[in-house]
This record gives sequence, C-alpha cells and structure tokens, in this order.
Amino acid sequence: AQTVTQSQPEMSVQEAETVTLSCTYDTSESDYYLFWYKQPPSRQMILVIRQEAYKQQNATENRFSVNFQKAAKSFSLKISDSQLGDAAMYFCAYRRAQGGSEKLVFGKGTKLTVNP
Amino acid sequence: DAMVIQNPRYQVTQFGKPVTLSCSQTLNHNVMYWYQQKSSQAPKLLFHYYDKDFNNEADTPDNFQSRRPNTSFCFLDIRSPGLGDAAMYLCATRDLGLAVNEQFFGPGTRLTVL
Repeated sequence: AQTVTQSQPEMSVQEAETVTLSCTYDTSESDYYLFWYKQPPSRQMILVIRQEAYKQQNATENRFSVNFQKAAKSFSLKISDSQLGDAAMYFCAYRRAQGGSEKLVFGKGTKLTVNP
Repeated sequence: DAMVIQNPRYQVTQFGKPVTLSCSQTLNHNVMYWYQQKSSQAPKLLFHYYDKDFNNEADTPDNFQSRRPNTSFCFLDIRSPGLGDAAMYLCATRDLGLAVNEQFFGPGTRLTVL
C-alpha cells in the first residue's frame, strides 16, 4: 500500500521569507501524481500544486514550487515570499495514475504559521 | 461561483439519532467522494461513487451509508452517530474525463454529537 509521510507537524516562517515543507512517499508504482493541498482554518481544501511523476521538470505555480526527487521518493513544497494568507494546514497527497477513480492518499499534514 | 456545496456547514445531532449530510456540485463530475477528517488529522476516505457505482472502503463502518440519486447530489447518512463520529465531513468531486483530474473539495460539514 502507498503511504505518504510529512515529518513536520508544524512549521513557522516570517512574512516575506521562504519556507520548505517536506513530504516523502512510498510506492512501487512508476506512474503517479503528487499533490499539495492547502486547508485554511474553517475553509475548504484547495489544490496548491501538482506534479506528474513522468515529468522531470519541477512544477511551479507563482510563489509555490516543488522539489520532486523521484528516486528518493521526495516531494517538498517551497513557498517563497510568504504571506499571512499562506497560514494553513498543508497536506501532501499521492494518487496512482491507473485508470479509474483512484483515491488520494494523504499525509498527516503540516500546520504552517506565518509571523508578521 | 460555488462548485462543491455542502449543507449544512455545521450539524449538531444527538447520540444515536440518524443524521444526513448533503453535497451538491455544479461541475458535472462523474466521481463524488466522502471523507471524514478528525481534528488535526488527514482526511480519511469513507467511500465514493463513480457515476452510480458505489465503492466502499474496507474499513468504513456499517454505520455510514451513502446515496447518489443523480449526478449533482450525494448524501452521507450516519445511522446511529456515536461520540467518535464527531468530525469534519468533506465531499469532493472529480472528472475522470480530464487528463490529470484533480479533486475539488467542498467546505465541509462539521458534525457535533451530543
């Protein structure tokens, strides 16, 4: 079974600084997707960024970028120029790329605090 | 524009009293998921529908049931809520016709059991 591990239950960063959230996963599959989801307090979970395993290039979305190391099964999220609105729970998630309604496997999350 | 809508946002029920949570979507996605998320934990998938096909997770208690009368709506029924069922319940949708087909989440319903 696939597992996702987020080893940092909590992180904090100063506004305008950069922070990196860690995620590792375990799978025997060669083709899969990886996601970072953001869940602000009392608000819905939204997708921050996604990475297809077959792509070597790291995904970027504005201030958010990932460092995808397939051999090491590592998928970290870097947030640049942190803003107060970035404060949230961040979940790393994995999904097989096989056809069908494959489920997401989530890590336990990292709570990010942004200090003004 | 709201895409995945959950009603109510907050639900209080009594121990053992059946409760139904509602999810609707305007995305016309063919898959709908129900997750349970307890405080400070990751979402845990309970079951999902692929069109009308129901897929239950092996460890989902029998106390939890679901109905999907049409593409837009999906319901979560808890037949006899216990104190341990107090949680946030998240609905999500996905369209298998899209290339990467991410899941879109609703805002959740927070269930309190007294």
